[in-house]
Amino acid sequence: DAGITQSPRHKVTETGTPVTLRCHQTENHRYMYWYRQDPGHGLRLIHYSYGVKDTDKGEVSDGYSVSRSKTEDFLLTLESATSSQTSVYFCAISESINRVDGGYTFGSGTRLTVV
Amino acid sequence: SQKIEQNSEALNIQEGKTATLTCNYTNYSPAYLQWYRQDPGRGPVFLLLIRENEKEKRKERLKVTFDTTLKQSLFHITASQPADSATYLCALSNTGGFKTIFGAGTRLFVKA
Repeated sequence: DAGITQSPRHKVTETGTPVTLRCHQTENHRYMYWYRQDPGHGLRLIHYSYGVKDTDKGEVSDGYSVSRSKTEDFLLTLESATSSQTSVYFCAISESINRVDGGYTFGSGTRLTVV
Repeated sequence: SQKIEQNSEALNIQEGKTATLTCNYTNYSPAYLQWYRQDPGRGPVFLLLIRENEKEKRKERLKVTFDTTLKQSLFHITASQPADSATYLCALSNTGGFKTIFGAGTRLFVKA
């Protein structure tokens, strides 16, 4: 999607290994989010960021950490991947809280398989 | 806990008819309700947002209603087309606009 890029698009990793997913935006939006999407569950918020070095936990944050050292980059790390973390991961961005009118802009997703 | 319910069964309609999708929620007082479209293998795309003090919003062939008493939103696509076939997600946001929660979506099939 324009203005937001996720990498990699697909990844297969072994249980117990660390994995980092990257989200890069060119829109200069303040807010960035990581969601996971699983069948029957909808999108569930993992972590979000409201500025450089400012992050907070979402609904399903256990086993995940994030970092945001620059406005444009938001990294999601699985410290020690487990099979339950097999999912499709989406990054999203939004403008200030007073501009929710625009909704969220999502990336194309990263399909992660933990074997 | 907060919960959003969307019909898990697919909705099949004929081209030209109006498609109506339902979103119900519990244990939440949203400031905003949003609708997204998601195609297979793609990220969701924002369609419409309605605020808690608005009852209806329109955009081209789309219409959203929001009843905070019933805790329900209806999403209508008029004069539906096969290209409207997709999964539609309902989402609720708090006043801050973050920590948005999403429903699992309803799959819509429009037959020519």
